[in-house]
Amino acid sequence: QKEVEQNSGPLSVPEGAIASLNCTYSDRGSQSFFWYRQYSGKSPELIMFIYSNGDKEDGRFTAQLNKASQYVSLLIRDSQPSDSATYLCAAFFGNEKLTFGTGTRLTIIP
Amino acid sequence: GAGVSQSPSNKVTEKGKDVELRCDPISGHTALYWYRQSLGQGLEFLIYFQGNSAPDKSGLPSDRFSAERTGGSVSTLTIQRTQQEDSAVYLCASSKGGSYLYEQYFGPGTRLTVT
Repeated sequence: QKEVEQNSGPLSVPEGAIASLNCTYSDRGSQSFFWYRQYSGKSPELIMFIYSNGDKEDGRFTAQLNKASQYVSLLIRDSQPSDSATYLCAAFFGNEKLTFGTGTRLTIIP
Repeated sequence: GAGVSQSPSNKVTEKGKDVELRCDPISGHTALYWYRQSLGQGLEFLIYFQGNSAPDKSGLPSDRFSAERTGGSVSTLTIQRTQQEDSAVYLCASSKGGSYLYEQYFGPGTRLTVT
């Protein structure tokens, strides 16, 4: 059973601080990883994807991938109240579909 | 440009009735996915269409669920003889396919309530 694991939270972070969201996956052969943001009552929105080991930065967001440790993370710098949402991690296990984690609920405290 | 659209946005139905949920993907997107999300749960894959290939139905929870995609565009998810456990938000996503297959863009969802 190929799985993606996330801490469900809630994770509370003060406004302006760095929020760190973590995800582990079970298949060492996984190649592609995705972070989706889901506001309450809304559908998921793709915010980052990463295919290679290391860091990938996009504005205030940085995705980090460590394939040896089977670990992917999302860092949000200068956290804003509008970042409060559930963040879903997803991995491609080679079967033409994504497997999603259950999500981490993030709350930014003003 | 226009995103993925779904209809209806909300559907309340009585147990035992059939329902049809519609998804209109982003124009030019060849891949289309259906997911189900129950309250407080992650996304459960249901079915995947890619171009003219046979769909991947491996996630459909029972034979009461079926889906079709006409003309490589609009898709309809049908649930027959609905049960209360079918209550969930049904999400459709599309992608360009090819090397962009996994960059999926979601519609707003259909909230299904079975009473």
